[in-house]
Amino acid sequence: GQQVMQIPQYQHVQEGEDFTTYCNSSTTLSNIQWYKQRPGGHPVFLIQLVKSGEVKKQKRLTFQFGEAKKNSSLHITATQTTDVGTYFCAGGDTGKLIFGQGTTLQVKP
Amino acid sequence: DAGVTQSPTHLIKTRGQQVTLRCSPKSGHDTVSWYQQALGQGPQFIFQYYEEEERQRGNFPDRFSGHQFPNYSSELNVNALLLGDSALYLCASSFRGISGANVLTFGAGSRLTVL
Repeated sequence: GQQVMQIPQYQHVQEGEDFTTYCNSSTTLSNIQWYKQRPGGHPVFLIQLVKSGEVKKQKRLTFQFGEAKKNSSLHITATQTTDVGTYFCAGGDTGKLIFGQGTTLQVKP
Repeated sequence: DAGVTQSPTHLIKTRGQQVTLRCSPKSGHDTVSWYQQALGQGPQFIFQYYEEEERQRGNFPDRFSGHQFPNYSSELNVNALLLGDSALYLCASSFRGISGANVLTFGAGSRLTVL
């Protein structure tokens, strides 16, 4: 079945450094979604990418969908302590989202 | 505008028992999906309900069953609990819409511990 993999599993950065997490799917995706889960919290929707090669920005966050629609990335510029949490990518067709295992970001002030 | 509400927030059961978890979707949403999240893992899709029917199912045994009511709320039932069923159970609602791409709104989850 479809698999979604994320790397790295953990990332520790100093506040102000950049951070990138990568997401790869075993199959072509119709869309990719990104969620953030704060420690002890639940996943919260960040963004959805639909088009091949699409790039979207949300303040310091940049999301990219690969040309082949099988990979995606999330880049955070100048991390802040509020960025702490686990970032999940998720792909799939109507009704069934497959989540990656997530990348947990720790930010040292 | 209430978000997704789940109950109970925490519960402890013993092996072999049965559990029922409840979910009320966000106002305006008509679809409910259930996910299991083990510690340190991503959410795993259990099943999805739309128009009171199970529409999609993940790789979970028949011990996991569900229901959706006419008001779109949903229940997740797990029979014959195993230690491995200990997890955070997340309910997510969405609006099916025309595009078909479901953007999920998650509830805070029900933390199940099986002893």
